[in-house]
Parts: sequence; structure tokens; C-alpha cells
Amino acid sequence: GAVVSQHPSRVICKSGTSVKIECRSLDFQATTMFWYRQFPKQSLMLMATSNEGSKATYEQGVEKDKFLINHASLTLSTLTVTSAHPEDSSFYICSAISGRSDTQYFGPGTRLTVL
Amino acid sequence: QKEVEQDPGPLSVPEGAIVSLNCTYSNSAFQYFMWYRQYSRKGPELLMYTYSSGNKEDGRFTAQVDKSSKYISLFIRDSQPSDSATYLCAMSSSRAGKSTFGDGTTLTVKP
Repeated sequence: GAVVSQHPSRVICKSGTSVKIECRSLDFQATTMFWYRQFPKQSLMLMATSNEGSKATYEQGVEKDKFLINHASLTLSTLTVTSAHPEDSSFYICSAISGRSDTQYFGPGTRLTVL
Repeated sequence: QKEVEQDPGPLSVPEGAIVSLNCTYSNSAFQYFMWYRQYSRKGPELLMYTYSSGNKEDGRFTAQVDKSSKYISLFIRDSQPSDSATYLCAMSSSRAGKSTFGDGTTLTVKP
């Protein structure tokens, strides 16, 4: 089956630093990737839709200058959390749409802890 | 009001029980209905995918969609301890579009 990877799986950083999270579709091309945030015991909240070669579309209430998304190729999207604060600590999950099957495949998630 | 409401749980059942998980929704534009299983600290895994109304069966899992009532269900037969996880319903108006998720129901199957 289709595989989506995320790197790193876990990151701990100091307040004020920036953190980059990578999302890769390993065996398929993804024209669309989604970025979600999940707080403990809560559901996935869509942050933004990332389309290869164009600017990401952010959901209402998500600061685009704080959460920078780059979808540089059909297999890679990155999310950069800039000037991270403790309230940004969360589980960040990406998903990718397979152009062949129109199915959404999720990555394993990245747990961010900001001290 | 949320677009998707999911029975909150948690649910605890003995091994072998039939489990029923349910979601309701308000957006009539939703055409695609998914159920995901999420183990602790992992990404969601697609279990079932249904288009429009009807039933779909895959092994011990059956997904039902009733668009007239805006109600979807996932049934798990002969539940196993390995089924213990959080189950998320999700819906979308297009096949490759963004999905709206329910809050999830945590299921524990006791041996």
C-alpha cells in the first residue's frame, strides 16, 4: 500500500526557535497534501491544504506567517513552525492524496514539544 | 454546532462483542464517508471508505451510510483486543478533497 513518511517523529525545542517537519509520499506522487494538528484526546484539525507548485490554502484561524508550508515537489511538503511557543506543542500529521486512486494516506505524525 | 458529531465514548467491551460506532453530520454536501483507526501516538489508518448511501463490508467491519438521516455507522463483529484504538469518522464532499473529522471514539476490547 501507499506509504507516507514524516520526519522527525519527535522533536523538542526551546521557545522562540523554528522547527521544520517533512512529509514525503514514498511510492506515489501527491499533488495535494494536507497538514493537521491534533491535541491530546481531540480530533484532527485541518491547518492547511498544500498543492505542489502553488501557495498553500490555510484554514480560518491558522496563521500563515507562523506555519510556513512549502510543497516543492510531488513527493515532499514541509511545515515550518516559526518562533515556536509552548502552546504550539501538539501532534502534527500530514496526509497525501494519491493521484492514481484519489485516496488520502496519512503519515505517522510528528510530536512537537516546545519548552 | 460542529459539522460532524461523533458518539464520544469511551467504549469498553468484552472480546467477541459486536461494537457499534456512530457519527451524525449536518453538511448535505458530504458524499464520501471514511472510518479511520488511530493507535496511540500514531497517524490514522484508513479502515473503510464509502461513497453515498449504502453498506460496505470488509471482513469483520461493516460501514453503513444513511444520507437521508445524515447518519453513519461502523460495526465491528467478533471484536478483538487488537481492535482497541480510537476510531475517527471523516467526511468529504469530493473524493480527493479535504475531510472533516469527528472527535473520535476510544474503544477498549477486554480479553
